[in-house]
Amino acid sequence: GAGVSQTPSNKVTEKGKYVELRCDPISGHTALYWYRQSLGQGPEFLIYFQGTGAADDSGLPNDRFFAVRPEGSVSTLKIQRTERGDSAMYLCASSPRVNTEAFFGQGTRLTVV
Amino acid sequence: QQQVKQSPQSLIVQKGGISIINCAYENTAFDYFPWYQQFPGKGPALLIAIRPDVSEKKEGRFTISFNKSAKQFSLHIMDSQPGDSATYFCAASSGGNMLTFGGGTRLMVKP
Repeated sequence: GAGVSQTPSNKVTEKGKYVELRCDPISGHTALYWYRQSLGQGPEFLIYFQGTGAADDSGLPNDRFFAVRPEGSVSTLKIQRTERGDSAMYLCASSPRVNTEAFFGQGTRLTVV
Repeated sequence: QQQVKQSPQSLIVQKGGISIINCAYENTAFDYFPWYQQFPGKGPALLIAIRPDVSEKKEGRFTISFNKSAKQFSLHIMDSQPGDSATYFCAASSGGNMLTFGGGTRLMVKP
């Protein structure tokens, strides 16, 4: 079956613009995670959904970042008033249920110019 | 408390050799320890994972050794191949919550 799909694969935006990053998890996976990875570093947790609700959003850096998963499947990470420091690889992962292995997508490379 | 420390940052191994990457953690609530392999421009791919009820797990050429008392775990890659050249990340989680990743090890296997 298909893996975790993230779109777009690359996004270049101007400072101050709004962006949306999409994640299609593996079918049937109830847990969905967003991570951010800066160059040369490990992924850092942003937010975790169990079903439709955000179970833990403690990793979101500030209120410019928001994520939704309205029907418990596809999720969208939204970034308002982008800053150059937001430039990174944004990774999405899904798990079939809590406390099981997480499968990552290929990521969205966001560049803010 | 949530940090996972990984070493070395980079590693060069001859083809056929053993690659060893180490990780240490502080949070005793961690109960799941996966290793991920990442190629440039790609997402991390799960290699192998272990839970604290066992001290070792082997899958093919990859082995995790786990020392609960020392709060350390390591990845051994036997018979390393040039195709293994990638960045490796250890990680840990508690109760199915988010993964906390180490800083990564860039492995180069020389032919």
